[in-house]
Amino acid sequence: DAKTTQPTSMDCAEGRAANLPCNHSTISGNEYVYWYRQIHSQGPQYIIHGLKNNETNEMASLIITEDRKSSTLILPHATLRDTAVYYCIVRASGNTGKLIFGQGTTLQVKP
Amino acid sequence: DVKVTQSSRYLVKRTGEKVFLECVQDMDHENMFWYRQDPGLGLRLIYFSYDVKMKEKGDIPEGYSVSREKKERFSLILESASTNQTSMYLCASSLYPGQGAREQYFGPGTRLTVT
Repeated sequence: DAKTTQPTSMDCAEGRAANLPCNHSTISGNEYVYWYRQIHSQGPQYIIHGLKNNETNEMASLIITEDRKSSTLILPHATLRDTAVYYCIVRASGNTGKLIFGQGTTLQVKP
Repeated sequence: DVKVTQSSRYLVKRTGEKVFLECVQDMDHENMFWYRQDPGLGLRLIYFSYDVKMKEKGDIPEGYSVSREKKERFSLILESASTNQTSMYLCASSLYPGQGAREQYFGPGTRLTVT
């Protein structure tokens, strides 16, 4: 599974869009990009995933560059409850095993 | 909504005790996982199971065993608890990946302290 690189921390004003970047320059053609988040003292929560097209759901949007070497998770209107550690993970399809969580990005949403 | 529940949020046990951590999912998922999370080390996979009575070792299986007698339930067993097993334990489940992507859904975690 390809390695990902994320900034250690970011701040965002409440009500504004939060854009969280992730680099995955060694991604392979069959590897998906997943985003999870973990709010303090809770289990990780699945947010969204994509292969090559941009994706949107009720929580967030995922923008994947054309060369697939980087992606951005967008929380369109951040709230204080979005304060969490956000993990970008790259994993091949058909893999029955583990998710490799890196250190992630700590997003602090401020009033 | 997928729901993954764990038997306890907080647990305190003594060294040498046998400890059972239970996980139940209600979405008929084939795959279930046990991770532990420690500061600076991230999440590490202990064991996973892709079917009833089937199990595979993860990265750190030593000191642990698992049981999957029913599809919805996956138990983690610490045969003789030690202080270095003090950690947050997280259970997750997912559909069998096949050829697609399969997100994992996590329980709330059990914070185990071994004294």
